[in-house]
Amino acid sequence: DIVLTQSPLSLPVTPGEPASISCRSSQSLLDTNGYHYLDWYLQKPGQSPQLLIYLVSKRASGVPDRFSGSGSGTDFTLKISRVEAEDVGIYYCMQSRQIPLTFGGGTKVEMK
Amino acid sequence: EVQLVESGGGLVQPGGSLRLSCAASGFTFTNYWMNWVRQAPGKGLESVAHIKQGGSEKYYVDSVKDRFSISRDDATNSLYLQMNSLRAEDTAIYYCARGPSYGIRPDYLDPWGQGTLVTVSS
Repeated sequence: DIVLTQSPLSLPVTPGEPASISCRSSQSLLDTNGYHYLDWYLQKPGQSPQLLIYLVSKRASGVPDRFSGSGSGTDFTLKISRVEAEDVGIYYCMQSRQIPLTFGGGTKVEMK
Repeated sequence: EVQLVESGGGLVQPGGSLRLSCAASGFTFTNYWMNWVRQAPGKGLESVAHIKQGGSEKYYVDSVKDRFSISRDDATNSLYLQMNSLRAEDTAIYYCARGPSYGIRPDYLDPWGQGTLVTVSS
């Protein structure tokens, strides 16, 4: 199975400041069709996870443009350009290059 | 509005069985991959099972193979997870999640239901 390692585990943030989360894969997530199969999800406190980003950099419907994804091969990054209070929660990366789909361990984002 | 509503969770003894259901609405159910993902208390996310459009392909995480069975009823827009030989480590919130309407695998999960809690304990 593909193992995803996220860092940091915890990320204290200041409203209005940028934030960045890393996701590293044990294998390349590049498919033969040229796409990298890496998504980002946010689980807000007490809620179900919600899709933020798919195929590395495509924002899901309704996701603010302060969220962006980048990366290739085995190294990927989620960036928040200016953190807002509603962005707190646990962020997970997920690979769908192979079944079983696997998730990173999560990064808890909280306000300083 | 796309909605997924899980039901069927509860307390069950080790070795017992439970059947989870997910009622889908607001989209053409038959066109989409459907999935079950679980989250043990205070832990991260784990994909459990996936079923392709039409039900011709099904996939399971190794830890539930031969014990869990995913199925779908396109006539009633329903997804199911039959769980047998339950173990304490199966205790988790089980989420139903929609996949894409294309592709050879579910490359994203959106949206997710609110989840149903399964507790395996004597």
